[in-house]
Amino acid sequence: SQQGEEDPQALSIQEGENATMNCSYKTSINNLQWYRQNSGRGLVHLILIRSNEREKHSGRLRVTLDTSKKSSSLLITASRAADTASYFCATVIQGAQKLVFGQGTRLTINP
Amino acid sequence: EAGVAQSPRYKIIEKRQSVAFWCNPISGHATLYWYQQILGQGPKLLIQFQNNGVVDDSQLPKDRFSAERLKGVDSTLKIQPAKLEDSAVYLCASSLRVEGYTFGSGTRLTVV
Repeated sequence: SQQGEEDPQALSIQEGENATMNCSYKTSINNLQWYRQNSGRGLVHLILIRSNEREKHSGRLRVTLDTSKKSSSLLITASRAADTASYFCATVIQGAQKLVFGQGTRLTINP
Repeated sequence: EAGVAQSPRYKIIEKRQSVAFWCNPISGHATLYWYQQILGQGPKLLIQFQNNGVVDDSQLPKDRFSAERLKGVDSTLKIQPAKLEDSAVYLCASSLRVEGYTFGSGTRLTVV
C-alpha cells in the first residue's frame, strides 16, 4: 500500500512562477525524501529531510516537514521549463529500511 | 562512483511468455530493492534484499514473480508467465543506509 499522498496530482504553471507540491503520509517516519522523474524513467534524488528537521533548502528547492500533521511540502522557486517532470515524495518508515512512495505530482512548466 | 546498472532497458514480450531483468547495485550496498512502476503511478516495492536474504516480499505476486540475489551482489527479477497488467517500468535501487538510495534507469516492459 502507498504511504504518501501527493497533492495536487497535476500542476501547470508559467515559467518563472513558484510551484508548491504537498505530501501527506500515514505512519511515523525516519525521514522523507523528494524525487524527480522525467518521462517515466530513473528517479533522481532531490532532497532529504529528517524527522527532527522542519525545513531544508537546496538551491531553488525548499522542503518543509510537519510531523504533527504528517505532511511535507516541496517548493520550487523561479521555475524553469527543465523542471517539467513528475515529483514524488517517499518516506522511510521508522524501524524499516525501505522507501515507500506516493502517487506523485505531474508538474508542467509553460514557457 | 558507478551507479546502479540495469538491463535490458526495454523489453516487449507476448502474454504468457517469461522475462528476466538484471540489476547490479552500487558496490558495497547491502540492501537492494525492486520496484514496479505502472504508468501514472508511484513506484511500488516488490522485494527488498539485505545481502542475499529477503527482508520484505509482501507485495511480490509470488505465483508469477521471483527474484534472487545470489552472493549478495547482483540480482535478477523474473516474471513467468507474464500478464498484460505487468506492463510497467521495473526499477532497481540499492542503499547503504536509510538516507542513501540510488536508483537505476529502469527496464520498461511491455506485454502485448
